[in-house]
Amino acid sequence: EFVLTQSPGTLSLSPGERATLSCRASQSVYSSYLAWYQQKPGQAPRLLIYGASSRATGIPDRFSGSGSGTDFTLSISRLEPEDFAVYYCQQYGSSPFAFGGGTKVEIK
Amino acid sequence: QVQLVESGGGLVKPGGSLRLSCAASGFTFSDSYMSWIRQAPGKGLEWLSYISSSGDTIYYADSVKGRFTISRDNAKTSLYLQMNSLRAEDTAVYYCARGFRLSTCFDYWGQGALVTVSS
Repeated sequence: EFVLTQSPGTLSLSPGERATLSCRASQSVYSSYLAWYQQKPGQAPRLLIYGASSRATGIPDRFSGSGSGTDFTLSISRLEPEDFAVYYCQQYGSSPFAFGGGTKVEIK
Repeated sequence: QVQLVESGGGLVKPGGSLRLSCAASGFTFSDSYMSWIRQAPGKGLEWLSYISSSGDTIYYADSVKGRFTISRDNAKTSLYLQMNSLRAEDTAVYYCARGFRLSTCFDYWGQGALVTVSS
């Protein structure tokens, strides 16, 4: 079973600070098929990053993804008020296309 | 613009059945991979099922295998999820989502349909 573990569970930061979110896979992610999503309350998730490091259309460049194999990172260089949300990673290299448990980025 | 609109959610008793539909518009549905994902109240995302553009390749999560069936009608640009033997733990918001560039990460999502399984 493919398991994605996200840490920390909650990140308390102030606007303008840098956020670093981790996603660790229980086995190597095929071809870096790792995506990141942002979800706000009452909304569907939004695709931020695909292929571990490519930004989706319309995503600001303060969002960046990195990593390969089993360790991946989402960084937000300077938090804007609209960035406080829950973030999920997902591997899509092989079925089951599992999501991580999420990291909540909250205002400190 | 791309739109995905789920319908068919509601309250159902344990052991019952429900069929969700997802009406797609604004893109070439017959060229797109599609999936169902759910989110239990206050919980994270759970991928459930995938279907290829032609419908000849299907995958399921272990949690729903043998109980749920994904299907599509390209002529009607619609995606379906037949859910049988429903359990309380199937209570969730169910999303349909489009695969990004023929992959199984998701660039467009519906607004979600709430399914509540309770006696």
